[in-house]
Amino acid sequence: GDSVTQMEGPVTLSEEAFLTINCTYTATGYPSLFWYVQYPGEGLQLLLKATKADDKGSNKGFEATYRKETTSFHLEKGSVQVSDSAVYFCALSEYSGAGSYQLTFGKGTKLSVIP
Amino acid sequence: NAGVTQTPKFQVLKTGQSMTLQCAQDMNHNSMYWYRQDPGMGLRLIYYSASEGTTDKGEVPNGYNVSRLNKREFSLRLESAAPSQTSVYFCASKRGNQPQHFGDGTRLSIL
Repeated sequence: GDSVTQMEGPVTLSEEAFLTINCTYTATGYPSLFWYVQYPGEGLQLLLKATKADDKGSNKGFEATYRKETTSFHLEKGSVQVSDSAVYFCALSEYSGAGSYQLTFGKGTKLSVIP
Repeated sequence: NAGVTQTPKFQVLKTGQSMTLQCAQDMNHNSMYWYRQDPGMGLRLIYYSASEGTTDKGEVPNGYNVSRLNKREFSLRLESAAPSQTSVYFCASKRGNQPQHFGDGTRLSIL
């Protein structure tokens, strides 16, 4: 079955540092890939997405490129802020039949940014 | 524009009690989902409903039942709560292969 593996946290960075959170996946077909962010006490929010190979998703300074050859979708940001402290989830969506698409999540990576 | 609304936000139950978690979406989405989130486990799918009138089991359905009451509402029921069901429960909805929209969660503790 489908699976998503992302780097384990927690990750602690100083403000303005470069961020990379690794994500690799296994899937039987051609999934769409997502990064979701969860701020403390809140639900998950879509951060960015990519629907086909070589697509780059970007939002709020975060980027991730869909790499089919390495089955990866690593999240990057050039200069993190304290407000980026949250839990980040990598996920894939693949058609599972009967008109349904299922999301498979990684276990999440907690990011703490210190001033 | 409320999106996905979950009630209640917090609940404490005793072992053996029953309760229903409510979820409603106002985006005219066909598909709705229930997940639980536990530390170090990410999100695990409990049940989903691909369209009004259909429901299917996810990864961890034991101990739960669901009802897709209409296109807007999808409820999750615990018939006899157990401490292992202490978790944060999230409802989500979407259309086709678009991203899922999540509610803010229900934090459930079972003593």
